[in-house]
Amino acid sequence: DAGVIQSPRHEVTEMGQEVTLRCKPISGHDYLFWYRQTMMRGLELLIYFNNNVPIDDSGMPEDRFSAKMPNASFSTLKIQPSEPRDSAVYFCASSLDSYNSPLHFGNGTRLTVT
Amino acid sequence: AQRVTQPEKLLSVFKGAPVELKCNYSYSGSPELFWYVQYSRQRLQLLLRHISRESIKGFTADLNKGETSFHLKKPFAQEEDSAMYYCALRAQKLVFGQGTRLTINP
Repeated sequence: DAGVIQSPRHEVTEMGQEVTLRCKPISGHDYLFWYRQTMMRGLELLIYFNNNVPIDDSGMPEDRFSAKMPNASFSTLKIQPSEPRDSAVYFCASSLDSYNSPLHFGNGTRLTVT
Repeated sequence: AQRVTQPEKLLSVFKGAPVELKCNYSYSGSPELFWYVQYSRQRLQLLLRHISRESIKGFTADLNKGETSFHLKKPFAQEEDSAMYYCALRAQKLVFGQGTRLTINP
């Protein structure tokens, strides 16, 4: 198994542009999480899905952020319009169940907004 | 509400010295606690979890419900332990602390 796959690995864009980050979870995992990592705030949970349904999006910073999971093997995190303060590493992770199973992380997408 | 606090952003110790990375949590139910580690140029991965009561790479962590702590310890640090360490608490969602960057000096 290739693990959780994220694309792109790096994204550089100008302020105001739309950014779409992609994630393919491990097959059979029911939970998918999006995290943002910054030096100042560490790892913040943005949103998570169970069986493709968003369960908790309280960590999404504002309306500029949206996430979808159209099927069990694909999720997107979109930022529109992007701002320099969105620059961070965005991680996707999946897990088998809700409690005892560890999360398996992707390599992350490093986003730079200029 | 779930909350995890790692009071030290940076921790530096010498090789062979004991290491303790502090973690305190806030949660009204029975917590499920983890330590995750991110080595340079590698993805974030699970180090250990409290239900397993195991030692991984010489690290152990004991859940202290009275002090609401889950500190990570290793008696003799090695250079390859240098990494970013995150304490995490899971009820439904997994919430992380801010992380501690551990540097082991030769």
